[in-house]
Amino acid sequence: KAGVTQTPRYLIKTRGQQVTLSCSPISGHRSVSWYQQTPGQGLQFLFEYFSETQRNKGNFPGRFSGRQFSNSRSEMNVSTLELGDSALYLCASSLSGPHYGTQYFGPGTRLTVL
Amino acid sequence: AQSVTQLDSQVPVFEEAPVELRCNYSSSVSVYLFWYVQYPNQGLQLLLKYLSGSTLVKGINGFEAEFNKSQTSFHLRKPSVHISDTAEYFCAVTGSNSGNTPLVFGKGTRLSVIA
Repeated sequence: KAGVTQTPRYLIKTRGQQVTLSCSPISGHRSVSWYQQTPGQGLQFLFEYFSETQRNKGNFPGRFSGRQFSNSRSEMNVSTLELGDSALYLCASSLSGPHYGTQYFGPGTRLTVL
Repeated sequence: AQSVTQLDSQVPVFEEAPVELRCNYSSSVSVYLFWYVQYPNQGLQLLLKYLSGSTLVKGINGFEAEFNKSQTSFHLRKPSVHISDTAEYFCAVTGSNSGNTPLVFGKGTRLSVIA
């Protein structure tokens, strides 16, 4: 069974640009969660999608958005990039949601904003 | 709301020695607790979880953790570590009666196993 895949693995952008990250969950998983990981703030929850609906959202500005498609693949978008958006963005998939903990994480997309 | 404190940011330990990584949580409701491991350049992997039942939880790779409600702790232990255990370890919590609420992660503990 293929694991969670994230593309691209690395991205370099400049301030003011926008970026789209992609996540393909494990086959059959309907929940996809996104996290931002930075040395200073650690792992912070961005949002969770389940069956194409955003079910939970973390405390991030509206520049961060996401969506989920009918095949459960998910994308997140960050507009008007700031230096502080440089981070490792992780997505995780699970059958029904992160609540019971059995999430499977992808390797992440490392975003660098110059 | 829940919060997690991992008391040690870095823990160096010699190979084959025991290790304990400490985690304390704060919550006004009952909780589910988790430990995840992150190897370099990889995503997180679930080590073990406490949902209910026995307070001693056994996980993968020889790790175990004990849920202590009175101390609001969920410390992770391994009796004998290997070089391959070098990684970052994250404790996480969520409310058990809060529907599908997301996990709240601690800041992580970097375990370095010394040969």
